[in-house]
Amino acid sequence: RKEVEQDPGPFNVPEGATVAFNCTYSNSASQSFFWYRQDCRKEPKLLMSVYSSGNEDGRFTAQLNRASQYISLLIRDSKLSDSATYLCVVTNDYKLSFGAGTTVTVRA
Amino acid sequence: DVKVTQSSRYLVKRTGEKVFLECVQDMDHENMFWYRQDPGLGLRLIYFSYDVKMKEKGDIPEGYSVSREKKERFSLILESASTNQTSMYLCASSSPRTEYEQYFGPGTRLTVT
Repeated sequence: RKEVEQDPGPFNVPEGATVAFNCTYSNSASQSFFWYRQDCRKEPKLLMSVYSSGNEDGRFTAQLNRASQYISLLIRDSKLSDSATYLCVVTNDYKLSFGAGTTVTVRA
Repeated sequence: DVKVTQSSRYLVKRTGEKVFLECVQDMDHENMFWYRQDPGLGLRLIYFSYDVKMKEKGDIPEGYSVSREKKERFSLILESASTNQTSMYLCASSSPRTEYEQYFGPGTRLTVT
């Protein structure tokens, strides 16, 4: 079983729409959680951390459900520039484990 | 701005060749990592290093070795390239203070024929 699983998508949404997707993780001892963003043919970059209490960064909201072992990302008022692959990341001690990514395409 | 550079964007090698992938970071980061990224599998950790001359195996070290002679440079070596090592290779670095934020290089697309 993969350590981090994501729906690969793609999620095709119109500009202005809200899109949300989850990722599940298998190791209940995982300590920290993050979303990275990877644009087409580019390297991954940290988007935001995910806290148990939930957190927002502008139009992006991340949630963590430890009991069910999943993390979610919600994007409000989607922009064309949000088109990317979103990678779910969990940490165990020093090591980051990456999901395969969820692709979001925002159309005009 | 943190910068991680990799020696080549694209590389084509023949089966059995020895391949060197170089990575250099300019932020004085202690931690450096090598991943490969394949469709549907995500990033998988090959090797990492927390200090000069130090190396640790990641999840898929077989067929690879690494070298870290200087703090800013981390090299990945494919001793005898095979077709199943065709992949995108990504180098990353991080500071111990913010280990979760890894800065990635642009990647090297390696094709082994």
